[in-house]
Amino acid sequence: QKEVEQNSGPLSVPEGAIASLNCTYSDRGSQSFFWYRQYSGKSPELIMSIYSNGDKEDGRFTAQLNKASQYVSLLIRDSQPSDSATYLCAVNSRGNSGYALNFGKGTSLLVTP
Amino acid sequence: KAGVTQTPRYLIKTRGQQVTLSCSPISGHRSVSWYQQTPGQGLQFLFEYFSETQRNKGNFPGRFSGRQFSNSRSEMNVSTLELGDSALYLCASSLGASGPRYNEQFFGPGTRLTVL
Repeated sequence: QKEVEQNSGPLSVPEGAIASLNCTYSDRGSQSFFWYRQYSGKSPELIMSIYSNGDKEDGRFTAQLNKASQYVSLLIRDSQPSDSATYLCAVNSRGNSGYALNFGKGTSLLVTP
Repeated sequence: KAGVTQTPRYLIKTRGQQVTLSCSPISGHRSVSWYQQTPGQGLQFLFEYFSETQRNKGNFPGRFSGRQFSNSRSEMNVSTLELGDSALYLCASSLGASGPRYNEQFFGPGTRLTVL
C-alpha cells in the first residue's frame, strides 16, 4: 500500500507569517508531486506541482521536494485569512497498469487575523 | 476554457438502489479519474479512464464501475447502494499522455451522494 502522510493539524499561524506544511510518501518510484487546496464544501484546487528535487516558487507559494528523504513541503509566505483551508498532498504513484494519485488526508490551516 | 463539470451536484438515494454520476472533462483532456471523499478516509482513488479504457483501478468492490465515451465524458455507476457509500464523489481530468507533467489533475465540483 503506497502511503502519503500529512499532519492533520490544525496548523494555526498569524496573518503575515509563513505557514509550513509537510508531507512524506512511501513509494520511491514516485515522479510527480502536487499540492491541492480545499475549502470547506468545495472540491480540491491544484495550487502547485513539482517534479524534480529542489524548490519551485509561484507567487507566495514555494514547494520543496527531497526525493532521497521522500519528503515534500509547501511554504506559504505572508499568510492571509483567505489561505485558511485544508491542504492536500498528492503523489503520482505507479499502479498495476498506470498512474494513480495517492492523497494524504490533508492538513487544516487556520490563519488568524 | 470551461472546467470539469459533474452532474448531478446532489443526490439522495435509498439502500439497494443504483446511481449513475456523470463527468465532462476539460476540453482536450483524455484522462478522467474518479475519487470518493469521506471525512474518515479522505480522498480515495476509484479508477481512471483514458481513451475509453480503464487504465487503473483502486481497491473498491465491483459494485463501483465506470466507463468513458469517445468524447472523453465519463460515467460512474454504483449498484446496490449501502449506507457507507454516502460521500462526495469527485472526478478529475488530465491530459493523460505519458510524462509527469501530463498528469496534473483538475477536479470538478463533485456530486454529494446521500444514501438513506
